[in-house]
Amino acid sequence: AQKVTQAQTEISVVEKEDVTLDCVYETRDTTYYLFWYKQPPSGELVFLIRRNSFDEQNEISGRYSWNFQKSTSSFNFTITASQVVDSAVYFCALSEASGTYKYIFGTGTRLKVLA
Amino acid sequence: GAGVSQSPSNKVTEKGKDVELRCDPISGHTALYWYRQSLGQGLEFLIYFQGNSAPDKSGLPSDRFSAERTGGSVSTLTIQRTQQEDSAVYLCASRGEVWNEQFFGPGTRLTVL
Repeated sequence: AQKVTQAQTEISVVEKEDVTLDCVYETRDTTYYLFWYKQPPSGELVFLIRRNSFDEQNEISGRYSWNFQKSTSSFNFTITASQVVDSAVYFCALSEASGTYKYIFGTGTRLKVLA
Repeated sequence: GAGVSQSPSNKVTEKGKDVELRCDPISGHTALYWYRQSLGQGLEFLIYFQGNSAPDKSGLPSDRFSAERTGGSVSTLTIQRTQQEDSAVYLCASRGEVWNEQFFGPGTRLTVL
């Protein structure tokens, strides 16, 4: 069965600190996709990144970076120099690479960035 | 805007009443999903539509829940005889053909009194 674990329920940091959000997944599929979404207080889920299982390159987008390691089944998300606007709930999700592509979500990590 | 839209944004109903929630996917997206976000259950998949294929209803929690998608576009999620445990935010998402990330609407917050 597929499962996504985000062990950190809530993290608080002071502005400009770096913060890493952990995501660990379980799947028997050899091909799959991983995603990160941001849910700000407004409630809408905002897509951040997609990673397929055969591409282990790390990715950087501005202050955001993602570290995908198949060996440890992890797909961690780092925000560098955090800002108050980064305060949100962040979800990691896993989908199969065929069929419905439906998501299995983690329980989310609430990030609070304090000024 | 070109995003996924949902209506109503909020719905308050009395236990036992039926409700209909609407989703307008991104134009051209053939795949449509409904998810439910509740405090106790997190984000959970409900149902999936793809073109004219039979929907994947494996996530619907009971036979009180049903959904349809007319003309391959707009979808309606219907909950009959609502119960208090149905209170949640119902999210709709659509997906294009090339990339498989889903784009979510703002959700409908359902409160069953």
